[in-house]
Amino acid sequence: DTAVSQTPKYLVTQMGNDKSIKCEQNLGHDTMYWYKQDSKKFLKIMFSYNNKELIINETVPNRFSPKSPDKAHLNLHINSLELGDSAVYFCASSQGGGACFFGPGTRLTVL
Amino acid sequence: AQSVTQLDSQVPVFEEAPVELRCNYSSSVSVYLFWYVQYPNQGLQLLLKYLSGSTLVKGINGFEAEFNKSQTSFHLRKPSVHISDTAEYFCAVSDRAGNQFYFGTGTSLTVIP
Repeated sequence: DTAVSQTPKYLVTQMGNDKSIKCEQNLGHDTMYWYKQDSKKFLKIMFSYNNKELIINETVPNRFSPKSPDKAHLNLHINSLELGDSAVYFCASSQGGGACFFGPGTRLTVL
Repeated sequence: AQSVTQLDSQVPVFEEAPVELRCNYSSSVSVYLFWYVQYPNQGLQLLLKYLSGSTLVKGINGFEAEFNKSQTSFHLRKPSVHISDTAEYFCAVSDRAGNQFYFGTGTSLTVIP
């Protein structure tokens, strides 16, 4: 049973395109996150949602828009993709200050 | 807000030698502390966590960490490393509500045969 799943695992696209990454967790957690990991392995929090409400929106371009239809899902839509958006994007979830569980990641390559 | 500092970006160590990966945090509130491991081309896996109680925490794969409140540290240790421990290690801090999870910049551990 996959705890946190993401699709797609790989995403290759041209500059200027719009793309979405989907995330689902079956752990019953209230909080979900999106992280960006760059080529130097640095993990930067992008968004945090608690019970479908936005809690954290770090300094992320407004081309990135998260959407949480219910507390088990947190999708990430990216408009007008740029070269600098190339990275691995991780979805994660947690509950009440417990450990954060990560999805397998989506490797985005913008050409 | 919380922040995490991992002072060592790369740590090479010989097989079967002990290792310590350093982590310091800053926070104006009580926090929970975590160590994660990331093997090449994989996601992050929880190694261990400190929520409360004993300051010495034991995790998977023989790792342990000690919470030191006065020094605001949470260093990770293993008495004898294996080749399979070669990976990226991340220290993380969260507030007690669990709404904010912040990671350090990672330490790349390379175990040399």
